[in-house]
Amino acid sequence: GAVVSQHPSRVICKSGTSVKIECRSLDFQATTMFWYRQFPKKSLMLMATSNEGSKATYEQGVEKDKFLINHASLTLSTLTVTSAHPEDSSFYICSAEGRGRIYGYTFGSGTRLTVV
Amino acid sequence: ELKVEQNPLFLSMQEGKNYTIYCNYSTTSDRLYWYRQDPGKSLESLFVLLSNGAVKQEGRLMASLDTKARLSTLHITAAVHDLSATYFCAVDVGPRETSGSRLTFGEGTQLTVNP
Repeated sequence: GAVVSQHPSRVICKSGTSVKIECRSLDFQATTMFWYRQFPKKSLMLMATSNEGSKATYEQGVEKDKFLINHASLTLSTLTVTSAHPEDSSFYICSAEGRGRIYGYTFGSGTRLTVV
Repeated sequence: ELKVEQNPLFLSMQEGKNYTIYCNYSTTSDRLYWYRQDPGKSLESLFVLLSNGAVKQEGRLMASLDTKARLSTLHITAAVHDLSATYFCAVDVGPRETSGSRLTFGEGTQLTVNP
């Protein structure tokens, strides 16, 4: 089946630094990747959608300059949290959709970001 | 704007009992998904429902879809402790001209099965 690998699973960083999270589709080409943020005991909130080779589409209220998304290839998307602050601490989950929607949506294992 | 509502949001039940989680959505949908999430973990796919009247079963869980009523249900039969988790439904609105396909999630139902 379709597998999406997300790294790192946990990261602790200092305020003001940047953190990069990778999302890779291992056995299929992901035409579209999605980045979600989840607060404790809440649902998933879509942050942005990225398509290979094009700019990401951000949801309303999501700061483009803070959450940089790059979808450089059909198997890799990255989310960089720039100048992180404690309020950016959250659980970030990526998801990938295969070409022709064959596989539906496959989710990565998530990244727990803690900014201290 | 698509709205997806789940109820109940919290469910505490005893082992051996049956219960149903409901998922209502506000617009025509192409697909509906059910996911399970354990604490600190990502989402595990349970079911994909593709058409009106679709019914899928896996173990003690059964999901159904009524596209006319814009309603999906997740039925739990003879619950066991291992089913304790948060369950999300998500609606796929299909490809759109500008944004493509995307999922909109319900709020989640936190299920606790007590011995």
